[in-house]
Amino acid sequence: DAGITQSPRHKVTETGTPVTLRCHQTENHRYMYWYRQDPGHGLRLIHYSYGVKDTDKGEVSDGYSVSRSKTEDFLLTLESATSSQTSVYFCAISSAGGSYNEQFFGPGTRLTVL
Amino acid sequence: TQLLEQSPQFLSIQEGENLTVYCNSSSVFSSLQWYRQEPGEGPVLLVTVVTGGEVKKLKRLTFQFGDARKDSSLHITAAQPGDTGLYLCAGAVGRDDKIIFGKGTRLHILP
Repeated sequence: DAGITQSPRHKVTETGTPVTLRCHQTENHRYMYWYRQDPGHGLRLIHYSYGVKDTDKGEVSDGYSVSRSKTEDFLLTLESATSSQTSVYFCAISSAGGSYNEQFFGPGTRLTVL
Repeated sequence: TQLLEQSPQFLSIQEGENLTVYCNSSSVFSSLQWYRQEPGEGPVLLVTVVTGGEVKKLKRLTFQFGDARKDSSLHITAAQPGDTGLYLCAGAVGRDDKIIFGKGTRLHILP
């Protein structure tokens, strides 16, 4: 298994509070991704990174920000959580960004915003 | 907006039966991947297909990429309870080969 951990694994928070999710990898992969998975929507890309301090938006980036100060860590921040951000969040990594963009996923973080 | 449509959404069959699930799009993909996801875990890559018409086999699972690289199928022979899970297809599209995911087929194999 690829060395990817996510923390926390579960979190319950209240509307309006800031939340930061952490993804840590030990594979030294260049690319890192944050997805959310919701019933009826599948996996949707929030943000991704193609190197330290290099990030870009995905299809559902509103309300989220990311940072990558080290190769191994990719942080996802909800500045002011809303109930619509209740979801399961997955981090993924890949060594390449081309056609063989094979991603390895972390175990997920279940976030509930009350 | 590029979409990947997966069908059926849900499938429940008896152990030992054969099944096929589909992944279709109007877009051309440079590659297509199939993942399996079990409850409480992240998706795990099963296979990547790149060439139109390509067929790959993984034990009882056969994956095919359409000739036009717009669709793919996954066929399972003699399904077993261990095949139960959510099957996701994902396509790489566009100049930067971004990956987009279908919504998945939830498969349940009854013993």
